[in-house]
Amino acid sequence: KNEVEQSPQNLTAQEGEFITINCSYSVGISALHWLQQHPGGGIVSLFMLSSGKKKHGRLIATINIQEKHSSLHITASHPRDSAVYICAVEETSGSRLTFGEGTQLTVNP
Amino acid sequence: EPEVTQTPSHQVTQMGQEVILRCVPISNHLYFYWYRQILGQKVEFLVSFYNNEISEKSEIFDDQFSVERPDGSNFTLKIRSTKLEDSAMYFCASSQGGAGYYGYTFGSGTRLTVV
Repeated sequence: KNEVEQSPQNLTAQEGEFITINCSYSVGISALHWLQQHPGGGIVSLFMLSSGKKKHGRLIATINIQEKHSSLHITASHPRDSAVYICAVEETSGSRLTFGEGTQLTVNP
Repeated sequence: EPEVTQTPSHQVTQMGQEVILRCVPISNHLYFYWYRQILGQKVEFLVSFYNNEISEKSEIFDDQFSVERPDGSNFTLKIRSTKLEDSAMYFCASSQGGAGYYGYTFGSGTRLTVV
């Protein structure tokens, strides 16, 4: 069983739709990271969470530590949001990141 | 916005050759990392480096791999004798601190192809 599970694996949406990507993990963590990877391969950090909720523009990330679950929401999605969104956890035993498989998001105009 | 810089962006090498991948982390960061992503797979941790020594390494990071911070600015990953299965995107990352208090900044990656 993977330590970090994301769902869905693939998501296609129409421009303007509200998007939710889910992440569950099985280990004790000090933080959870949401990252974005574009087709060229580069990774951009979106959020780091250890509790509660964070918002940046149209992106919202939430985490429930008791349930070991996090969600990334995108409001009013746009074609430029098309990318792979990756959940990664920083375990309490160290600072290394353990990555999920990623969610490929495609937003059509 | 400070950046983590990786060079080269692409490298093609013959099997059995040595390669050095270079990274310049953000100047006030203290923790440095190498990750790799084989095509179509998830990103995997290789090694973390703090205070001029390896702080953690994965099972992947065997004797053919080594890391170095030779001059206080560069952070290098050396693969001694490359194998076909070393073909991957290698990401360098740095952080101001560890364990959940500071975010990561990733470089844009080096795509290594072993032929």
